[in-house]
Amino acid sequence: QKEVEQNSGPLSVPEGAIASLNCTYSDRVSQSFFWYRQYSGKSPELIMSIYSNGDKEDGRFTAQLNKASQYVSLLIRDSQPSDSATYLCAVTGGSYIPTFGRGTSLIVHP
Amino acid sequence: DVKVTQSSRYLVKRTGEKVFLECVQDMDHENMFWYRQDPGLGLRLIYFSYDVKMKEKGDIPEGYSVSREKKERFSLILESASTNQTSMYLCASSPVEYGGGNTIYFGEGSWLTVV
Repeated sequence: QKEVEQNSGPLSVPEGAIASLNCTYSDRVSQSFFWYRQYSGKSPELIMSIYSNGDKEDGRFTAQLNKASQYVSLLIRDSQPSDSATYLCAVTGGSYIPTFGRGTSLIVHP
Repeated sequence: DVKVTQSSRYLVKRTGEKVFLECVQDMDHENMFWYRQDPGLGLRLIYFSYDVKMKEKGDIPEGYSVSREKKERFSLILESASTNQTSMYLCASSPVEYGGGNTIYFGEGSWLTVV
């Protein structure tokens, strides 16, 4: 059984701080890793994807992947109230079917 | 931009009715998915299709069926709706990208209430 684990939160950070969201996965042959943001009542939207070890930056977002530790994280710099949402981690391996974590709720307070 | 369109956004149906949820994607993706999402349970895969007329059961296929007659269209069918099928239903699609990728794109969701 492939598993993707996320702390459900809520993670509460002040505006302007760095939010750190973490995800661990069980399937060692996982190849592709994704972070989605989901606002309440809306569908998930893709923020970032990462395929190789290390960091990948896109604006205020940085994804970090460590395949040896089976760990992927998302850093949000200069957090804004508009970043308040649930963040889903998704992992795909040999099949095309992604496994999703249950998400971490992030609250950015002014 | 990838566009996954779910034509019915909000539906209210009666117990026992047959319900069709339609989904169309415009990016020629091979893979299409139907999920349901419930509070505290996350995304649960109902059915998956990797080609026209091909389908695979997901984690919770009971009470559902699917149809994929054309590559761009994937329909979810509730043969006899029940109250425990009240949920948000998400359609998604992804390309086949060898060596990685397979980014999945979601539609806007269909909120179904069964009374």
